[in-house]
Amino acid sequence: AQSVTQLDSQVPVFEEAPVELRCNYSSSVSVYLFWYVQYPNQGLQLLLKYLSGSTLVKGINGFEAEFNKSQTSFHLRKPSVHISDTAEYFCAVSARGNNNDMRFGAGTRLTVKP
Amino acid sequence: DGGITQSPKYLFRKEGQNVTLSCEQNLNHDAMYWYRQDPGQGLRLIYYSQIVNDFQKGDIAEGYSVSREKKESFPLTVTSAQKNPTAFYLCASSVTSGRSGELFFGEGSRLTVL
Repeated sequence: AQSVTQLDSQVPVFEEAPVELRCNYSSSVSVYLFWYVQYPNQGLQLLLKYLSGSTLVKGINGFEAEFNKSQTSFHLRKPSVHISDTAEYFCAVSARGNNNDMRFGAGTRLTVKP
Repeated sequence: DGGITQSPKYLFRKEGQNVTLSCEQNLNHDAMYWYRQDPGQGLRLIYYSQIVNDFQKGDIAEGYSVSREKKESFPLTVTSAQKNPTAFYLCASSVTSGRSGELFFGEGSRLTVL
């Protein structure tokens, strides 16, 4: 089975600063990788996904992530954050061809301060 | 608009009572899922269903039950056997479970046991 580790439970940053949210995964098979965002008392919304092809993936709201197979990482980055980016971010991994076994990290709380 | 509707958004229950959470989708997705979210633990899979009249246990199915009588609907019953039911419950769907892609989430239902 797959597993995901989000290395930071909380990340505070100032507005307009760059941010990186770190995600490592473990799997014995090929995987698909995802980043979701959750605003308070809401469901999860897909930010971006890596299925195949280019290892640099661009998503919504100016976020991007890079798949690094050798380091088994899928870190999320944004060059300049806004107050509205304050939310919980979840990294997820699934084995190719099997959504039933999607595994989520514990989440990283991003707080953007003015 | 297409999407997933969960109801109720907030629910209070006395100990020993069963409660049913509703999940309806109009995305024409075959697969549906129920996750439980607790602070600092990410999402854990309770049950999933790949087709009508079929469903499978996830990692934490004890104390829960589901049905899938219609493609659009996947209700979750939290029974009195669930030892610690207070949590945020998320319903999700995907095109199929056999071909990986993102999950689409509802807004969630917050259950509090008094």
